[in-house]
Order: sequence, then structure tokens, then C-alpha cells
Amino acid sequence: NAGVMQNPRHLVRRRGQEARLRCSPMKGHSHVYWYRQLPEEGLKFMVYLQKENIIDESGMPKERFSAEFPKEGPSILRIQQVVRGDSAAYFCASAPGNTIYFGEGSWLTVV
Amino acid sequence: DAKTTQPPSMDCAEGRAANLPCNHSTISGNEYVYWYRQIHSQGPQYIIHGLKNNETNEMASLIITEDRKSSTLILPHATLRDTAVYYCIVRAMDSSYKLIFGSGTRLLVRP
Repeated sequence: NAGVMQNPRHLVRRRGQEARLRCSPMKGHSHVYWYRQLPEEGLKFMVYLQKENIIDESGMPKERFSAEFPKEGPSILRIQQVVRGDSAAYFCASAPGNTIYFGEGSWLTVV
Repeated sequence: DAKTTQPPSMDCAEGRAANLPCNHSTISGNEYVYWYRQIHSQGPQYIIHGLKNNETNEMASLIITEDRKSSTLILPHATLRDTAVYYCIVRAMDSSYKLIFGSGTRLLVRP
């Protein structure tokens, strides 16, 4: 999947803890997307960011979820006070323009 | 909501061509047709995209009808590793550039 790096690949959190997922886009890409895939379901768009700006957050849950893409460093998807329903695969994608490339995902398990 | 309709599942024999149909009858003039696939537990993989002309790359061919209301993804010689969920996506070139995933077609390649 062409160099979009996500970490950690697997993360286990207890209910009430915070989860931080990181995404380093492909070199030269300034657009980052986050998607969530619940078990046995399709991919759902969460948020689209450019450097230091949130462009479209129409898919983000209203509470506990936030995302950033700072001028330096990776994009961060932050989930506060996790609940069992947050258990899912979280995919990051980046784009230079017409084509969007996805990372391998971060699997969050909330116990 | 996804603007495409795909059969939920298909199968084909290894070595034969796999032809995956997609209907997008409400496609707009500035919208592209994209195809991605997701192999189990991996990130979505870009396959091909087109606007109105047929396209071919090392992975597949994309045939778009003249009225652009439907398209077919062709894997010319399917292998077992092509077993995956294939997503046909119509993508508007607006400020968001996001991909909206539907349910896709689950392709099973039989030995």
C-alpha cells in the first residue's frame, strides 16, 4: 500500500483509557484521511485533513474523537475514554491529488 | 451514501477472467469511477480509475459505458490472491475528495 505508515498496528485499551493512532502519509502528500471499519462492516469516512487544517469532519463522532495533522510529524487520531464499541480497524490514507492510497490499518481492541 | 450498485458476491475459476459490474446511473459529468479492493485484514488497495475512456494498467482493465452509467472491472487472469472485496466508487472532485465506500462485491476465485 505504497508507503502510508500507521502505528501501532494493534492496540489494546481498557474502557475509559485513551487511544492514539498515528499516520505518516506518503512522502510529499499533504492530504490525510481517516476511515473506520467495524467488525464485518464496510469502511466509513471519518475525517479529511490537510496540514494544520481540518477540511471535512462530517464522519467524526461528536464526542471523544479528534484528529490533527500538524505542520511537522504524523497525523494523530485520538479517542478519549474508549468504549467497547470503538473496537475497530482504523485506516489512514493519503493523497497527492487524484489517487488515494491506504495504510495497513491500526486494530483497536477495547477490553 | 454510496452512489454505486454492485452484486454482493461473485466467483470465478482461477486463470479465467473476472468481470465485476458496477452501476452508477446518477454519476455526474465531473465524477470519476474508482475501483479498490480489500483483501481480508488489509488496507484497501487502489486498482484503477477512469472518467469516460477505457483504462488499463498492470492490474486490471476498466470499461466504462458510453453513457457512463455503468462500468466493468476486468481482472484478465484471476489468481487465488485476487480473492477480495472489490469496491466501485464514484468520486466527486470537490474540495473534500473523499471516497465513499459501499458494500462492494465479494469475489471468490476458485482453484
